[in-house]
Amino acid sequence: EDQVTQSPEALRLQEGESSSLNCSYTVSGLRGLFWYRQDPGKGPEFLFTLYSAGEEKEKERLKATLTKKESFLHITAPKPEDSATYLCAVQATWGQNFVFGPGTRLSVLP
Amino acid sequence: EPEVTQTPSHQVTQMGQEVILRCVPISNHLYFYWYRQILGQKVEFLVSFYNNEISEKSEIFDDQFSVERPDGSNFTLKIRSTKLEDSAMYFCASKNQGADLEQFFGPGTRLTVL
Repeated sequence: EDQVTQSPEALRLQEGESSSLNCSYTVSGLRGLFWYRQDPGKGPEFLFTLYSAGEEKEKERLKATLTKKESFLHITAPKPEDSATYLCAVQATWGQNFVFGPGTRLSVLP
Repeated sequence: EPEVTQTPSHQVTQMGQEVILRCVPISNHLYFYWYRQILGQKVEFLVSFYNNEISEKSEIFDDQFSVERPDGSNFTLKIRSTKLEDSAMYFCASKNQGADLEQFFGPGTRLTVL
């Protein structure tokens, strides 16, 4: 069974304090790994797709990396507006559905 | 920027009633999905739809659920006889027909079953 876990469950940072979020996955053949941002009461907002180990993607203060068993979302010098829940999802080679992790709830304090 | 829209934003219904949740996917997308998120829990896949038929469904998507694309723009999820445990946020998503895999999600419909 495909599984995604994320750590930590919650993270509080001071503005400007860089950190990383972890996504560990077990999947029978990875087709893609996805990072989304979710604000309270809203739908997931797409951030990145990673396809193979060693790949990296960047967008503003966010950088996503992928290995064969996990992905990291690095947040550099975060701002309060980066506060949200960050979701990781995987898609297996054989299927169309996304399997989501439980998310990491990030709070950035001014 | 094109986006997925969903209506209503909040639906309150009595147990046993039928509800229809509506979605307008991004206009040039051909793959459509429904997910749900019970409060405080993970986003869970329900069903995928392509070329006017269901291509994949989860164990959650039982006989009480159905999907339809009644016209060229709408995509609906029907729950025939709602249960208390159907209370959740329901998200519609769509994907284009190209090589990109990412799915784009709507803002969700909060369904409350009393």
